[in-house]
Amino acid sequence: NAGVTQTPKFRILKIGQSMTLQCAQDMNHNYMYWYRQDPGMGLKLIYYSVGAGITDKGEVPNGYNVSRSTTEDFPLRLELAAPSQTSVYFCASSYPERGNGGYTFGSGTRLTVV
Amino acid sequence: KQEVTQIPAALSVPEGENLVLNCSFTDSAIYNLQWFRQDPGKGLTSLLLIQSSQREQTSGRLNASLDKSSGRSTLYIAASQPGDSATYLCAVPTSGNTGKLIFGQGTTLQVKP
Repeated sequence: NAGVTQTPKFRILKIGQSMTLQCAQDMNHNYMYWYRQDPGMGLKLIYYSVGAGITDKGEVPNGYNVSRSTTEDFPLRLELAAPSQTSVYFCASSYPERGNGGYTFGSGTRLTVV
Repeated sequence: KQEVTQIPAALSVPEGENLVLNCSFTDSAIYNLQWFRQDPGKGLTSLLLIQSSQREQTSGRLNASLDKSSGRSTLYIAASQPGDSATYLCAVPTSGNTGKLIFGQGTTLQVKP
């Protein structure tokens, strides 16, 4: 099925551990995003990419890193996990316009840091 | 800095009621505004997109309006059903051609049978 695929769906990390959240899309979208959603809050942008080889910081990038070696994949790396990174992480992709539709979200990764 | 606010945070109504969800934004220089639906444990699904030149957009029982001058948008749901129970988020693009969105915190709707 066409769309955005995120893995894993759930993960528990210990403080100080590292992990990579995977995101892949098969719609040939140039624009991809990582958001986090805390309880009762809207989504906040962590990193985004406007094409392969191009990434930039969003509103809350500290503690995260990304790479974009292909159009399809946009992994998010957490180094030295902290309890403040407990959240639900969403990957999304869109058409290369000013957010004009075509916005597709993955189903999310629920991460708990203990 | 653009800020997006949604009131109320939660809403519970009996089935069949017409209801309005509110979204306000501080910077009226927006290109468009989107309304999303989020079911528990799921990702977001785009419901309606209103361009800055439009005042309304309709899809089935949903109608979204946009008043840029007052910094407000409303999502009207007619004849609500239990299946409409979800969290509804509005979002506006940031400046620049990057597709980045700024989200409100959402309104969680419960429609009781």
